[in-house]
Amino acid sequence: EIVMTQSPATLSVSPGERATLSCRASQSVGRNLAWYQQKPGQAPRLLIYGVSTRATGVPARFSGSGSGTEFTLAISSLQSEDFGIYYCQQYNNWPPWTFGQGTKVEIK
Amino acid sequence: EVQLVESGGGLVQPGGSLRLSCTASGFTFSSYSMHWVRQAPGKGLEWVSYISSSGSTIYYADSVKGRLTISRHNGKNSLYLQMSSLRDEDTAVYYCARYDYQTFVPWGQGTLVTVSS
Repeated sequence: EIVMTQSPATLSVSPGERATLSCRASQSVGRNLAWYQQKPGQAPRLLIYGVSTRATGVPARFSGSGSGTEFTLAISSLQSEDFGIYYCQQYNNWPPWTFGQGTKVEIK
Repeated sequence: EVQLVESGGGLVQPGGSLRLSCTASGFTFSSYSMHWVRQAPGKGLEWVSYISSSGSTIYYADSVKGRLTISRHNGKNSLYLQMSSLRDEDTAVYYCARYDYQTFVPWGQGTLVTVSS
């Protein structure tokens, strides 16, 4: 099973600032990496797949990068609606499909 | 609009059973594989089970193998999760999700299962 580890656990950011979230895989997942956003009381929403491809309707301020075992999600200028929890997920080796433990982006 | 709506959650005693349903609309349900993913209160996401579009291929997480059973009825645009021998640690919001381009999109709103005496 591939273990996904996200850092930091919590990121405090002021609106308008840049946020950078990290995700590490216990073994290479190639480019088979997705990011999801979850707001309180809501279901997760797909943001990015294939490391860097934004899902339909996702603003350009969200960008993904990396390959192999190290990945990054960047939010260029944080908006109020961007606060929530972000999960990375690998779909290279399955089952099981595995998620990171999440990074909470909160208002500073 | 693609939509998934879960139902069937509730309070159940340890060792009990429950059947969750997920009703799909806005897309050709029979063409897509589906997943169940759960989230314990205040915790992260845990993949639970997968079923292929025809139902011929099924996978389970080790934590639920032998106790939870995934199935689907393509004629009713419905996905199911039969849960038995429930444990305290099965308490979670259960989401169904469509498997598209190897990602989970979209997700339903979830249904809460509480296992407690």
